[in-house]
Amino acid sequence: AQSVTQPDIHITVSEGASLELRCNYSYGATPYLFWYVQSPGQGLQLLLKYFSGDTLVQGIKGFEAEFKRSQSSFNLRKPSVHWSDAAEYFCAVAAGNTPLVFGKGTRLSVIA
Amino acid sequence: DAGVIQSPRHEVTEMGQEVTLRCKPISGHDYLFWYRQTMMRGLELLIYFNNNVPIDDSGMPEDRFSAKMPNASFSTLKIQPSEPRDSAVYFCASSFGAFWIPYEQYFGPGTRLTVT
Repeated sequence: AQSVTQPDIHITVSEGASLELRCNYSYGATPYLFWYVQSPGQGLQLLLKYFSGDTLVQGIKGFEAEFKRSQSSFNLRKPSVHWSDAAEYFCAVAAGNTPLVFGKGTRLSVIA
Repeated sequence: DAGVIQSPRHEVTEMGQEVTLRCKPISGHDYLFWYRQTMMRGLELLIYFNNNVPIDDSGMPEDRFSAKMPNASFSTLKIQPSEPRDSAVYFCASSFGAFWIPYEQYFGPGTRLTVT
């Protein structure tokens, strides 16, 4: 069965600094990978997804993620963080027609 | 489209009472998911439906929990009787899934349940 690990529970970055959130997955074949964001008191919103093709995918709000098969990773990046990016970020993986498996999430705090 | 609609947004009830959470998925979506989110356990999949049929309810914590989907536009999650440990945020999500590829799930705003 597939699984997802987000090693960082909480990350704090300064506004304007770059960001990288880590995600590692476990699955034998090429997985389908997703990043979601959850703002306080809100549901989860899809940031981006990878199904196949170009391993660097662009998402909403200036986020991007890179699929690295050799490292079983799908890290989320943003070159310059805004205060409004403070939220919880979830990586998820799916295999075939199975429900998404979510990581535990990484909480991002942004300081001035 | 209005997105996934959940009601109520907040529910406060006393232990032992019956609680019913409601969800209206996005029109045309054939998958519906119920999740529970707590600080301790994170996001847990409780049950999901495909074309109104429950496919996997292995995440339902115990018999006090039940879910139905009488038609393509409505689902309920019921807890009877409720207990304080059921306090959590419950999310409904829907998606359009083909057999060979999972499409992204769209989440509702959630129902925050507090059982006193």
